[in-house]
Amino acid sequence: TQLLEQSPQFLSIQEGENLTVYCNSSSVFSSLQWYRQEPGEGPVLLVTVVTGGEVKKLKRLTFQFGDARKDSSLHITAAQTGDTGLYLCARRQGGKLIFGQGTELSVKP
Amino acid sequence: GAVVSQHPSRVICKSGTSVKIECRSLDFQATTMFWYRQFPKKSLMLMATSNEGSKATYEQGVEKDKFLINHASLTLSTLTVTSAHPEDSSFYICSAEGGGEYEQYFGPGTRLTVT
Repeated sequence: TQLLEQSPQFLSIQEGENLTVYCNSSSVFSSLQWYRQEPGEGPVLLVTVVTGGEVKKLKRLTFQFGDARKDSSLHITAAQTGDTGLYLCARRQGGKLIFGQGTELSVKP
Repeated sequence: GAVVSQHPSRVICKSGTSVKIECRSLDFQATTMFWYRQFPKKSLMLMATSNEGSKATYEQGVEKDKFLINHASLTLSTLTVTSAHPEDSSFYICSAEGGGEYEQYFGPGTRLTVT
């Protein structure tokens, strides 16, 4: 199993600040997904990136797939308290989803 | 997106008893369902993969006699935690894949507490 390293594991910021979460691997992946999970709920898919260098935007969230397809980042602009949650990157491997360790984001008012 | 439900959402059971968790795909036929376990503030850990009509494939370190998985139909998979112990307390999440797509749709999770 090829591991996905996420950083940071914990992040606590004030409302209005920007932040970036990283997802790295030593191997190339064909695609990568980002999920957000709120406490007591299942993860919800935010985006799938497929092409090296690809950038996708979802309102204040910007997702980037590295040119070599070994890393990805999630940038949130002007964070809001509603952005609080666990952010997970995941890749497909052998028909299964392999998740990163997750980044616990807390946005304080 | 497709909808996956889990029942119950929360369950408390006594040590030594068994508890069953259901996972249903509500608007598509799920050829494959997955069961995950999640500890507080941690990521999802895949426990097993189940295909309709066949035996589940368990991940390394997961006891198949303790965590019984049945995928009897294309819309239902069940996870039974047998002879539960307090260390089995966790958040269990299922996901379903099917309908011609390779995307996994996640259920809302079941919080199991063993006393």
